[in-house]
Amino acid sequence: DQQVKQNSPSLSVQEGRISILNCDYTNSMFDYFLWYKKYPAEGPTFLISISSIKDKNEDGRFTVFLNKSAKHLSLHIVPSQPGDSAVYFCAASASNTGKLIFGQGTTLQVKP
Amino acid sequence: NAGVMQNPRHLVRRRGQEARLRCSPMKGHSHVYWYRQLPEEGLKFMVYLQKENIIDESGMPKERFSAEFPKEGPSILRIQQVVRGDSAAYFCASSPPGRAQETQYFGPGTRLLVL
Repeated sequence: DQQVKQNSPSLSVQEGRISILNCDYTNSMFDYFLWYKKYPAEGPTFLISISSIKDKNEDGRFTVFLNKSAKHLSLHIVPSQPGDSAVYFCAASASNTGKLIFGQGTTLQVKP
Repeated sequence: NAGVMQNPRHLVRRRGQEARLRCSPMKGHSHVYWYRQLPEEGLKFMVYLQKENIIDESGMPKERFSAEFPKEGPSILRIQQVVRGDSAAYFCASSPPGRAQETQYFGPGTRLLVL
């Protein structure tokens, strides 16, 4: 039972363009959502998060959008840079637990 | 301010041996989480601990796996009688009190290889 899904295993974009990574969830109890970036042989690095009471959160080049009715969130990276090439994980949590439920990840490649 | 520390970074064990993975949370963090990543998969929650307490172990296999976070010292994930299927990357994360849901900071992971 995959409660958090990232349906695109990979994404390739040109440097300077927008990268859009998508994530869907099924559990309506989730009320906090996080994005992590991961390089090979390293631990995940926190990027940005959003509470379910909001529909948008922005931090520099990173913006997360939440559509609760569709149970969908997305991460926008503008402009994309080659250093953004990594695996991106979406994660969700419910307020009565501390655990994060992760998606399978999307590998982003930003071409110079 | 040091981040989450894990050791060893790499661990090789033969089938039937024990594996001990250590995690030191960030300074001021009292919540520790363990996750496992199998090849080509996302991270899977294993256990959530606070000092001297197991809060949620719903992701831990019923046998051979145990975790602790003593009053002093690092958190330990112990795997007894390892099998080849235990080969994975094990990540520890920590969060400050009251912010468990908002963010968790991850360590570099321990890559366990069972021969």
